[in-house]
Amino acid sequence: ETGVTQSPTHLIKTRGQQVTLRCSSQSGHNTVSWYQQALGQGPQFIFQYYREEENGRGNFPPRFSGLQFPNYSSELNVNALELDDSALYLCASSFDRGQTYEQYFGPGTRLTVT
Amino acid sequence: GNSVTQMEGPVTLSEEAFLTINCTYTATGYPSLFWYVQYPGEGLQLLLKATKADDKGSNKGFEATYRKETTSFHLEKGSVQVSDSAVYFCALSLTQGGSEKLVFGKGTKLTVNP
Repeated sequence: ETGVTQSPTHLIKTRGQQVTLRCSSQSGHNTVSWYQQALGQGPQFIFQYYREEENGRGNFPPRFSGLQFPNYSSELNVNALELDDSALYLCASSFDRGQTYEQYFGPGTRLTVT
Repeated sequence: GNSVTQMEGPVTLSEEAFLTINCTYTATGYPSLFWYVQYPGEGLQLLLKATKADDKGSNKGFEATYRKETTSFHLEKGSVQVSDSAVYFCALSLTQGGSEKLVFGKGTKLTVNP
């Protein structure tokens, strides 16, 4: 069974640029959630995708957007990068939506905006 | 709103000492409660969970009991090891509008010295 993988591991971007982060969900999982973890803080929910549709969103502006593909992998896109977007971005997949299903986290992508 | 408050660290203990990390929550509805652990440079791993009041979650010697009357989910371990050094996150899970998201505390860094 392959776990959740994310790419790239690290990324450095300049303010104003755009970035795409990728996540491959665990085999058999149809739900992907994205979280932002600023340094020294707990992860914050960005949004969730269920069967290719956005299924809930946290308190993040529209320049944070996402996609989920038929194989349930997912992308997180951030436009017009700001310095405060520097963080660890975590992807988590689960077998289905609903709080009874455990979310399995990937290792994260460390984004630095300069 | 929904939130999690956990004791601030860092916490430094000697090997074989008793560990308690306090966690309280505020939630509308009936959340599931979790403890996640994050080792240096890695993503989050689920340590234990409880889905209803009075449930006790346990794993690898760690325990936590879901206390609805005190809205708490304190993490305990009778005898810590050096390998337990990590950041511990308390979290709650709520299903809102069909979307299930995790709400995390800020994390408590634990260092265990030999």
